[in-house]
Amino acid sequence: QSALTQPASVSGSPGQSITISCTGISSDVGGYNYVSWYQQHPGKAPKLMIYDVSNRPSGVSNRFSGSKSGNTASLTISGLQAEDEADYYCSSYTSSSTLVVFGGGTKLSVL
Amino acid sequence: EVQLVETGGGLIQPGGSLRLSCAASGFTVSSNYMSWVRQAPGKGLEWVSVIYSGGSTYYADSVKGRFTISRDNSKNTLYLQMNSLRAEDTAVYYCARVAPLYWYFDLWGRGTLVTVSS
Repeated sequence: QSALTQPASVSGSPGQSITISCTGISSDVGGYNYVSWYQQHPGKAPKLMIYDVSNRPSGVSNRFSGSKSGNTASLTISGLQAEDEADYYCSSYTSSSTLVVFGGGTKLSVL
Repeated sequence: EVQLVETGGGLIQPGGSLRLSCAASGFTVSSNYMSWVRQAPGKGLEWVSVIYSGGSTYYADSVKGRFTISRDNSKNTLYLQMNSLRAEDTAVYYCARVAPLYWYFDLWGRGTLVTVSS
């Protein structure tokens, strides 16, 4: 069982917007603004999409945005495109000995 | 070009040992926090270990006492020595650069597959 809880799957049509949630506790997501999101296509390495809750690295489309409320962080993808179909993982720093925890991942299908 | 390249994976029997390497280019390993993250087949990501720029090391409870992270500054390479391997260690192992203090992984290698099976 992963430390952070994500929905197993979400889907949307091209052009639509979707949101993926990531729920933790006060010692990780709720306690720090150190939430990041990763995109992973099949057989590929993860790619950083969002860091520090809502910041986008250079080169990442502004269709990707992040937010946080309490113990739940969210990734929103607007104007869905076929190439957005992938697995998405959230991650957070944690004050436990683990240091960093991941969510179980969410499979995004673009219908 | 800034990149990480992992090598050293393979098939190993339970109880065996394996050393993974991660060669970095375009930046200096010793000036950064570097980590190993693994992904079991069909499963999610799991953080394994980190080495800070100052040399401190930390491990996930699942590998503590069995795995050792290290680096060779002259070769600009990160290592993961894995001992007493178990079937549940089977995974693709990625090395990744960590943003200090903020704990996000901004650069990933392509990974190397470790299969623990008799």
